[in-house]
Amino acid sequence: DAGITQSPRHKVTETGTPVTLRCHQTENHRYMYWYRQDPGHGLRLIHYSYGVKDTDKGEVSDGYSVSRSKTEDFLLTLESATSSQTSVYFCAIRGLAGETQYFGPGTRLLVL
Amino acid sequence: GQQLNQSPQSMFIQEGEDVSMNCTSSSIFNTWLWYKQDPGEGPVLLIALYKAGELTSNGRLTAQFGITRKDSFLNISASIPSDVGIYFCAGQLTARQLTFGSGTQLTVLP
Repeated sequence: DAGITQSPRHKVTETGTPVTLRCHQTENHRYMYWYRQDPGHGLRLIHYSYGVKDTDKGEVSDGYSVSRSKTEDFLLTLESATSSQTSVYFCAIRGLAGETQYFGPGTRLLVL
Repeated sequence: GQQLNQSPQSMFIQEGEDVSMNCTSSSIFNTWLWYKQDPGEGPVLLIALYKAGELTSNGRLTAQFGITRKDSFLNISASIPSDVGIYFCAGQLTARQLTFGSGTQLTVLP
């Protein structure tokens, strides 16, 4: 186990409401990532962080923001959720051994 | 951005058979990774490859980093029912981002 938890694991929300997903790690790793997974698209990077308060955009960042105020927590916020953001969201951390990334269990989000 | 072509998209095999899947890219990578994802779970790292030409095994799994740095394959020998799942390749060029293939859905028939 890579020591990554995500919360909530499942969420149903309505269009236009704000949503925050949390990723928590116990490994004290510097790099953390948020991905979304959709059928036919594999995993696509939303945002990543390379340290406290240091974040950058990934491939599909529109409509998402992130924050990292502590090493162990990386938050993903949908300011105003849309149905196109219905997806499974995965957090990942980068391990010390080479370039490998380890994934959390995922959050299933349904936007109605 | 970089694109990874992973094939096949799905496979149906008999228990005991060997399996082969591969990924190709138009760009080079410095690292190739292979993950397996079970339903309702996050991807789990199977094998990591760091050098062109590298051949690495993990039990019944064998993966290779192509000489051109643009491709990689994964072989599974003597498949068993618990091999069922989605297998993803991922390539990394910079320290910050992985590019994922679209996955191979493996079904093992008894």
